[in-house]
Amino acid sequence: DSGVTQTPKHLITATGQRVTLRCSPRSGDLSVYWYQQSLDQGLQFLIQYYNGEERAKGNILERFSAQQFPDLHSELNLSSLELGDSALYFCASSVGIGTSGGGYNEQFFGPGTRLTVL
Amino acid sequence: GQQLNQSPQSMFIQEGEDVSMNCTSSSIFNTWLWYKQDPGEGPVLLIALYKAGELTSNGRLTAQFGITRKDSFLNISASIPSDVGIYFCAGPGGGAQKLVFGQGTRLTINP
Repeated sequence: DSGVTQTPKHLITATGQRVTLRCSPRSGDLSVYWYQQSLDQGLQFLIQYYNGEERAKGNILERFSAQQFPDLHSELNLSSLELGDSALYFCASSVGIGTSGGGYNEQFFGPGTRLTVL
Repeated sequence: GQQLNQSPQSMFIQEGEDVSMNCTSSSIFNTWLWYKQDPGEGPVLLIALYKAGELTSNGRLTAQFGITRKDSFLNISASIPSDVGIYFCAGPGGGAQKLVFGQGTRLTINP
Protein backbone atom coordinates (compact mmCIF):
# COMPACT_ATOMS: atom_id res chain seq x y z
CA ASP A 1 0.00 0.00 0.00
CA SER A 2 1.62 3.23 -1.22
CA GLY A 3 -0.55 5.47 0.96
CA VAL A 4 -2.04 7.16 -2.13
CA THR A 5 -5.77 6.56 -2.52
CA GLN A 6 -7.82 6.91 -5.66
CA THR A 7 -11.54 6.73 -6.19
CA PRO A 8 -13.41 5.27 -7.86
CA LYS A 9 -11.56 2.07 -8.77
CA HIS A 10 -13.66 1.53 -11.88
CA LEU A 11 -15.76 3.90 -13.92
CA ILE A 12 -17.90 3.05 -16.92
CA THR A 13 -19.51 5.86 -18.85
CA ALA A 14 -20.66 6.87 -22.31
CA THR A 15 -19.11 9.04 -24.97
CA GLY A 16 -19.74 12.73 -24.49
CA GLN A 17 -20.02 12.46 -20.72
CA ARG A 18 -17.92 14.09 -18.02
CA VAL A 19 -16.29 12.32 -15.08
CA THR A 20 -14.21 13.30 -12.06
CA LEU A 21 -11.42 11.16 -10.65
CA ARG A 22 -10.24 11.78 -7.13
CA CYS A 23 -6.86 11.33 -5.48
CA SER A 24 -5.65 11.71 -1.90
CA PRO A 25 -1.86 11.91 -1.60
CA ARG A 26 0.27 10.31 1.09
CA SER A 27 0.26 12.14 4.36
CA GLY A 28 2.81 14.96 4.19
CA ASP A 29 3.20 14.93 0.40
CA LEU A 30 2.62 18.29 -1.25
CA SER A 31 3.01 17.26 -4.89
CA VAL A 32 0.40 15.36 -6.87
CA TYR A 33 0.79 13.97 -10.38
CA TRP A 34 -1.62 12.45 -12.85
CA TYR A 35 -0.64 9.82 -15.40
CA GLN A 36 -2.60 8.03 -18.11
CA GLN A 37 -1.83 4.42 -19.02
CA SER A 38 -3.28 3.12 -22.26
CA LEU A 39 -2.39 0.12 -24.39
CA ASP A 40 -1.14 2.15 -27.33
CA GLN A 41 0.50 5.09 -25.54
CA GLY A 42 1.87 3.44 -22.42
CA LEU A 43 2.29 5.48 -19.23
CA GLN A 44 2.13 9.21 -19.95
CA PHE A 45 2.53 12.15 -17.63
CA LEU A 46 -0.45 14.48 -17.70
CA ILE A 47 -0.04 17.17 -15.07
CA GLN A 48 1.59 18.01 -11.72
CA TYR A 49 0.38 20.18 -8.85
CA TYR A 50 2.41 21.36 -5.91
CA ASN A 51 0.71 22.81 -2.86
CA GLY A 52 -2.33 23.86 -4.84
CA GLU A 53 -0.57 25.30 -7.87
CA GLU A 54 -0.02 23.79 -11.29
CA ARG A 55 3.65 22.98 -11.64
CA ALA A 56 4.16 21.06 -14.87
CA LYS A 57 2.06 19.96 -17.79
CA GLY A 58 2.47 17.04 -20.14
CA ASN A 59 0.37 15.90 -23.07
CA ILE A 60 -2.91 16.70 -21.38
CA LEU A 61 -5.88 17.28 -23.67
CA GLU A 62 -7.83 20.53 -23.42
CA ARG A 63 -10.89 18.45 -22.51
CA PHE A 64 -9.04 17.38 -19.35
CA SER A 65 -8.42 19.59 -16.35
CA ALA A 66 -7.20 19.11 -12.83
CA GLN A 67 -6.92 20.95 -9.56
CA GLN A 68 -5.43 20.49 -6.14
CA PHE A 69 -7.45 21.63 -3.17
CA PRO A 70 -6.28 23.24 0.11
CA ASP A 71 -6.42 19.85 1.85
CA LEU A 72 -4.03 18.67 -0.92
CA HIS A 73 -6.37 16.15 -2.50
CA SER A 74 -6.63 16.42 -6.26
CA GLU A 75 -9.29 15.86 -8.88
CA LEU A 76 -8.89 15.12 -12.57
CA ASN A 77 -11.87 16.15 -14.67
CA LEU A 78 -12.39 14.52 -18.05
CA SER A 79 -15.08 15.96 -20.29
CA SER A 80 -16.61 15.26 -23.72
CA LEU A 81 -15.31 11.74 -23.33
CA GLU A 82 -14.27 9.75 -26.37
CA LEU A 83 -13.69 6.03 -26.81
CA GLY A 84 -9.95 6.68 -26.90
CA ASP A 85 -10.02 8.10 -23.39
CA SER A 86 -10.54 4.60 -22.01
CA ALA A 87 -7.45 3.95 -19.92
CA LEU A 88 -6.04 3.55 -16.46
CA TYR A 89 -5.50 6.86 -14.72
CA PHE A 90 -2.91 6.95 -11.97
CA CYS A 91 -2.30 9.54 -9.35
CA ALA A 92 1.10 9.76 -7.69
CA SER A 93 2.42 11.94 -4.90
CA SER A 94 5.79 13.06 -3.63
CA VAL A 95 7.13 15.18 -0.81
CA GLY A 96 8.36 17.98 -3.02
CA ILE A 97 9.26 19.01 -6.51
CA GLY A 98 12.77 17.67 -6.69
CA THR A 99 16.00 19.32 -5.60
CA SER A 100 17.51 22.46 -7.08
CA GLY A 101 20.21 20.34 -8.72
CA GLY A 102 17.61 18.36 -10.65
CA GLY A 103 17.36 15.60 -8.08
CA TYR A 104 14.32 13.39 -8.04
CA ASN A 105 11.73 13.07 -5.26
CA GLU A 106 10.29 9.57 -5.34
CA GLN A 107 6.76 9.43 -6.63
CA PHE A 108 4.40 6.95 -4.97
CA PHE A 109 1.61 5.71 -7.21
CA GLY A 110 -1.96 4.97 -6.25
CA PRO A 111 -3.84 1.88 -7.45
CA GLY A 112 -5.43 3.72 -10.35
CA THR A 113 -8.91 4.33 -11.74
CA ARG A 114 -9.91 2.23 -14.72
CA LEU A 115 -12.06 4.33 -17.03
CA THR A 116 -14.12 2.64 -19.73
CA VAL A 117 -15.90 4.82 -22.25
CA LEU A 118 -18.61 3.00 -24.22
CA GLY B 1 9.95 14.85 -26.75
CA GLN B 2 12.19 12.44 -24.92
CA GLN B 3 11.48 8.76 -25.45
CA LEU B 4 12.72 5.64 -23.76
CA ASN B 5 13.06 2.42 -25.73
CA GLN B 6 12.81 -0.64 -23.56
CA SER B 7 13.62 -4.20 -24.57
CA PRO B 8 12.62 -6.88 -24.71
CA GLN B 9 8.89 -6.20 -24.74
CA SER B 10 8.18 -9.55 -23.13
CA MET B 11 10.06 -12.44 -21.61
CA PHE B 12 8.98 -15.98 -20.87
CA ILE B 13 11.40 -17.73 -18.54
CA GLN B 14 11.66 -20.66 -16.16
CA GLU B 15 11.70 -20.12 -12.44
CA GLY B 16 15.26 -19.79 -11.21
CA GLU B 17 16.58 -18.19 -14.39
CA ASP B 18 18.29 -14.82 -14.48
CA VAL B 19 16.67 -11.95 -16.37
CA SER B 20 18.15 -8.96 -18.15
CA MET B 21 16.36 -6.01 -19.67
CA ASN B 22 17.51 -2.62 -20.85
CA CYS B 23 16.39 0.84 -21.69
CA THR B 24 17.89 3.34 -24.11
CA SER B 25 17.26 6.98 -24.83
CA SER B 26 18.23 9.34 -27.62
CA SER B 27 18.95 12.03 -25.03
CA ILE B 28 20.82 12.17 -21.76
CA PHE B 29 19.05 11.40 -18.50
CA ASN B 30 20.40 12.49 -15.11
CA THR B 31 18.31 9.97 -13.24
CA TRP B 32 17.22 6.47 -14.18
CA LEU B 33 14.38 4.74 -12.40
CA TRP B 34 13.11 1.18 -12.56
CA TYR B 35 9.50 0.47 -11.60
CA LYS B 36 7.47 -2.73 -11.37
CA GLN B 37 3.73 -2.90 -11.93
CA ASP B 38 1.68 -5.83 -10.68
CA PRO B 39 -1.75 -6.51 -12.19
CA GLY B 40 -4.36 -4.08 -10.88
CA GLU B 41 -1.77 -1.97 -9.09
CA GLY B 42 0.19 1.18 -9.69
CA PRO B 43 3.93 1.14 -10.44
CA VAL B 44 6.26 0.69 -7.49
CA LEU B 45 9.80 2.05 -7.50
CA LEU B 46 12.43 -0.70 -7.37
CA ILE B 47 15.70 1.13 -7.90
CA ALA B 48 16.76 4.72 -8.50
CA LEU B 49 20.10 5.60 -10.13
CA TYR B 50 21.61 9.07 -9.93
CA LYS B 51 25.15 8.87 -11.30
CA ALA B 52 26.63 7.63 -14.58
CA GLY B 53 28.26 4.24 -14.06
CA GLU B 54 26.39 3.64 -10.80
CA LEU B 55 25.51 0.04 -9.99
CA THR B 56 22.80 -0.42 -7.37
CA SER B 57 21.22 -3.55 -5.91
CA ASN B 58 17.93 -4.21 -4.21
CA GLY B 59 17.88 -7.84 -3.12
CA ARG B 60 18.03 -9.98 -6.25
CA LEU B 61 17.68 -6.92 -8.46
CA THR B 62 20.65 -5.01 -9.81
CA ALA B 63 20.46 -1.94 -12.02
CA GLN B 64 23.15 0.08 -13.74
CA PHE B 65 23.25 3.65 -14.99
CA GLY B 66 25.08 3.60 -18.32
CA ILE B 67 28.20 5.70 -18.61
CA THR B 68 26.85 7.53 -21.67
CA ARG B 69 23.81 8.47 -19.53
CA LYS B 70 21.65 7.27 -22.41
CA ASP B 71 20.96 3.76 -21.18
CA SER B 72 20.26 1.65 -18.15
CA PHE B 73 20.04 -2.05 -17.40
CA LEU B 74 18.08 -4.14 -14.92
CA ASN B 75 19.02 -7.66 -13.96
CA ILE B 76 17.01 -10.06 -11.83
CA SER B 77 18.80 -13.10 -10.50
CA ALA B 78 17.24 -16.46 -9.65
CA SER B 79 13.71 -15.42 -10.63
CA ILE B 80 10.76 -16.47 -8.47
CA PRO B 81 7.01 -16.45 -9.21
CA SER B 82 6.43 -13.11 -7.49
CA ASP B 83 8.76 -11.44 -10.00
CA VAL B 84 5.96 -11.71 -12.58
CA GLY B 85 4.76 -8.32 -13.73
CA ILE B 86 5.64 -5.43 -15.98
CA TYR B 87 8.94 -3.64 -15.48
CA PHE B 88 9.30 -0.03 -16.59
CA CYS B 89 12.30 2.17 -16.91
CA ALA B 90 11.66 5.86 -16.39
CA GLY B 91 13.47 9.14 -16.16
CA PRO B 92 12.73 12.80 -15.65
CA GLY B 93 11.85 14.36 -18.98
CA GLY B 94 11.74 18.14 -19.22
CA GLY B 95 11.77 18.60 -15.47
CA ALA B 96 12.93 16.77 -12.37
CA GLN B 97 9.55 15.31 -11.58
CA LYS B 98 7.98 14.94 -15.03
CA LEU B 99 8.57 11.25 -15.66
CA VAL B 100 8.94 9.64 -19.07
CA PHE B 101 8.35 5.88 -19.10
CA GLY B 102 9.56 3.11 -21.37
CA GLN B 103 7.00 0.80 -22.96
CA GLY B 104 7.61 -1.88 -20.34
CA THR B 105 8.92 -5.44 -20.27
CA ARG B 106 6.31 -8.03 -19.37
CA LEU B 107 7.87 -10.88 -17.43
CA THR B 108 6.16 -14.26 -17.31
CA ILE B 109 7.61 -17.14 -15.30
CA ASN B 110 6.85 -20.78 -15.97
CA PRO B 111 7.01 -22.82 -12.77
